[in-house]
Amino acid sequence: DTGVSQDPRHKITKRGQNVTFRCDPISEHNRLYWYRQTLGQGPEFLTYFQNEAQLEKSRLLSDRFSAERPKGSFSTLEIQRTEQGDSAMYLCASSLAWAGQGGDGEQFFGPGTRLTVL
Amino acid sequence: GESVGLHLPTLSVQEGDNSIINCAYSNSASDYFIWYKQESGKGPQFIIDIRSNMDKRQGQRVTVLLNKTVKHLSLQIAATQPGDSAVYFCAERFIYNQGGKLIFGQGTELSVKP
Repeated sequence: DTGVSQDPRHKITKRGQNVTFRCDPISEHNRLYWYRQTLGQGPEFLTYFQNEAQLEKSRLLSDRFSAERPKGSFSTLEIQRTEQGDSAMYLCASSLAWAGQGGDGEQFFGPGTRLTVL
Repeated sequence: GESVGLHLPTLSVQEGDNSIINCAYSNSASDYFIWYKQESGKGPQFIIDIRSNMDKRQGQRVTVLLNKTVKHLSLQIAATQPGDSAVYFCAERFIYNQGGKLIFGQGTELSVKP
């Protein structure tokens, strides 16, 4: 399967615990996006990387959230001191941006990690 | 059947009928629009896109219409099938901005009755 993969698919944790999610993008894609989706709503942008550089972060991304893409391939999203309001589906997407114009190709989404904070 | 995506989140149609899902987008400067289909437990799946210099684009059984005057986007699905049952989201972005973040609408749940 050459699509975007995410691990784990489901995570249940207690309030106050730290959690980390992983995303493996399509191998040749240089952009990687994280979105959060709550029940009945569309995904909301959190942050994105071009190669290993984190280029934009949403105001939704509080200080408790941190994302990395150390080698420009897979990415991790960590949430520290989880709160019940963090319960959501965390989606990763990747795309191939073409050089010189700042343009971006189609974003391919992974299956998501569903986080439940008790 | 027809729905206003952001105000009437559920659309129920008979198998074989045509479906129309509507979306009002927010930013008049957006120049690229996409429709996604999301099935339960899965990530959004690309259906069709359209650039702001077009007003209509057709795919296989799907057509997207763009009305920039009223910032309105619609998705038409011909001969709706049970496999089309899902939540449909419209999304907008700037195609040539520094990043390609998508801004999604609320979504419309399509239910196809056999």
